[in-house]
Amino acid sequence: KQEVTQIPAALSVPEGENLVLNCSFTDSAIYNLQWFRQDPGKGLTSLLLIQSSQREQTSGRLNASLDKSSGRSTLYIAASQPGDSATYLCAVQFKASGTYKYIFGTGTRLKVLA
Amino acid sequence: EAQVTQNPRYLITVTGKKLTVTCSQNMNHEYMSWYRQDPGLGLRQIYYSMNVEVTDKGDVPEGYKVSRKEKRNFPLILESPSPNQTSLYFCASSLAGGRPQETQYFGPGTRLLVL
Repeated sequence: KQEVTQIPAALSVPEGENLVLNCSFTDSAIYNLQWFRQDPGKGLTSLLLIQSSQREQTSGRLNASLDKSSGRSTLYIAASQPGDSATYLCAVQFKASGTYKYIFGTGTRLKVLA
Repeated sequence: EAQVTQNPRYLITVTGKKLTVTCSQNMNHEYMSWYRQDPGLGLRQIYYSMNVEVTDKGDVPEGYKVSRKEKRNFPLILESPSPNQTSLYFCASSLAGGRPQETQYFGPGTRLLVL
């Protein structure tokens, strides 16, 4: 059964630090892995999507990597800012019983201190 | 503007009173999905739909119903709500399931309180 885990559950860093958020999944047969940002009381905003055939994706200060064989993805945030404070979620899309499903991790709550 | 809309955004109801949360997307997406988000449990998929008239159970379907009569709409129905269905609900859509390059787009969420 596919399971997605995110470590750490919460993280507090001073402004300007580079940081890494981790996501692991138990079944490597995935179609893609997506990183989302969620602000308190708000919906989810897609940050980066990595297809199963890709190793990494970059957008601005964000870089996401994918290692399917080890069941891991990391989200790297460079030069963190207070505006980066949010909960970061990863999700995998995979095939189950002939159809396509998504499983989310429980998220990492990030706080960047000014 | 491409978007997923949900209504209502906030809802307080009582146990047993049937309710429907609507979801609509204007991107001609085939795949639509409902999630609930609870503290410590993350987002869990309730039901999803690969296309019109094709729906399937997610991980937590008990107590919920869905229908997909039109491509753009995917309502979530709680026939007899109970307090354990108090949660934050999200609707999402993507162009099609099973395509590695396709992003999921999320609605703004519906916060439901069942007394």
